[in-house]
Amino acid sequence: KAGVTQTPRYLIKTRGQQVTLSCSPISGHRSVSWYQQTPGQGLQFLFEYFSETQRNKGNFPGRFSGRQFSNSRSEMNVSTLELGDSALYLCASSLPSNTDTQYFGPGTRLTVL
Amino acid sequence: GENVEQHPSTLSVQEGDSAVIKCTYSDSASNYFPWYKQELGKRPQLIIDIRSNVGEKKDQRIAVTLNKTAKHFSLHITETQPEDSAVYFCAASDRNNAGNMLTFGGGTRLMVKP
Repeated sequence: KAGVTQTPRYLIKTRGQQVTLSCSPISGHRSVSWYQQTPGQGLQFLFEYFSETQRNKGNFPGRFSGRQFSNSRSEMNVSTLELGDSALYLCASSLPSNTDTQYFGPGTRLTVL
Repeated sequence: GENVEQHPSTLSVQEGDSAVIKCTYSDSASNYFPWYKQELGKRPQLIIDIRSNVGEKKDQRIAVTLNKTAKHFSLHITETQPEDSAVYFCAASDRNNAGNMLTFGGGTRLMVKP
């Protein structure tokens, strides 16, 4: 099976802009979770989508949003970018249970100038 | 919510020695504990996981132990090799949570000196 893919891999934006990141899960996986990875805060959970519905949400401001399509592909959007949003954004796909393995994509490296 | 603490933050060992990384969690409802290895510039990859109905699990040179009473779990790597050098993350998942939401520890940078 093909692994989790994310596009784009690298992105440079300026403050105030918005950005959309995409994640394609492993075939058959309907759960997609998003994480932000930074040197200072580590890996932090953003949100999880399952069957096109947000099932869990982490402690991030409303500028961070996401959605999931009927083919399980997911997008996350960050509006009004801030310098502190510079990070590696990782998505992970899995089967639906909380004890199922999450498989990570390669990530999108976002730099906000 | 869940809080996971991981120690040490850096660990340097000689090739062939053992390495131990420890994590504690706060939510007694957590029931799934994976460990991920992340090499520089690469994605986190699952190396081993344990569920709360099991006390220990082993896979070749890697083992994980879980103490539910004390709410801590540990990763043990024996006969370390230079290719084990990476950042290791522990995580916990809450069974009361309907979905997939991992809370990660802060990571341990393991350096294996040849």
